[in-house]
Amino acid sequence: EIVMTQSPATLAVSPGERATLSCRASQSVGSDVAWYQQKPGQAPRLLMFGAATRGTGVPARFSGTGSGTKFTLTISSLQSEDFAFYYCQQYNNWPPSTFGQGTKVELK
Amino acid sequence: EVQLVESGGGLVEPGRSLRLSCAASGFTFDDYAMHWVRQVPGKGLEWVSGISWNSGTIAYVDSVKGRFSISRDDAKNSLSLQMNSLRADDTALYYCVKDFGPMVRGIFYSWGQGTLVTVSS
Repeated sequence: EIVMTQSPATLAVSPGERATLSCRASQSVGSDVAWYQQKPGQAPRLLMFGAATRGTGVPARFSGTGSGTKFTLTISSLQSEDFAFYYCQQYNNWPPSTFGQGTKVELK
Repeated sequence: EVQLVESGGGLVEPGRSLRLSCAASGFTFDDYAMHWVRQVPGKGLEWVSGISWNSGTIAYVDSVKGRFSISRDDAKNSLSLQMNSLRADDTALYYCVKDFGPMVRGIFYSWGQGTLVTVSS
């Protein structure tokens, strides 16, 4: 089973600042990584797949990079609605598809 | 608009069974693979099971193999998860999820709001 490790666990950011979230896979997953955003009381929402392709309706301030074992989600200028949990997930080598433990983006 | 509405959750004793259902609308259901993903409240996400558009590919996480069974009824635009021999560690919010395409790819494109399963005596 591939283990996805996210860092940091919590990221404190001010509105308008840049946020950089990291995800590392225990072995190569190519570009088969997705990112999800989850707000309290809501279901997750797909932000990114194929490491760098935005999902439907996802603002351009969200971008993803990486391949192999290292991946990054960047929010270029944080908006108030972006404070949430973010999860990375690999779908290259499965079952099972596996998620990271999450990064909480909170107000600084 | 894609809508996925789960039902069937509740409180059940260890060792008992429960059947979850998901009613899908707003897309051509039999063109897409579907999944169940669960989340212990306040914790992370865990993929549970997936089924391809034609039920030709079915997969489970190891912890539920032999106990859970996924199925789909394309005539009713419905996804189901039969859960037997339930354990306390099956307690979670269960989400019905639509994949990106017909095969079990694992891109979780659309999510329902979830149904809560609590296993406790």
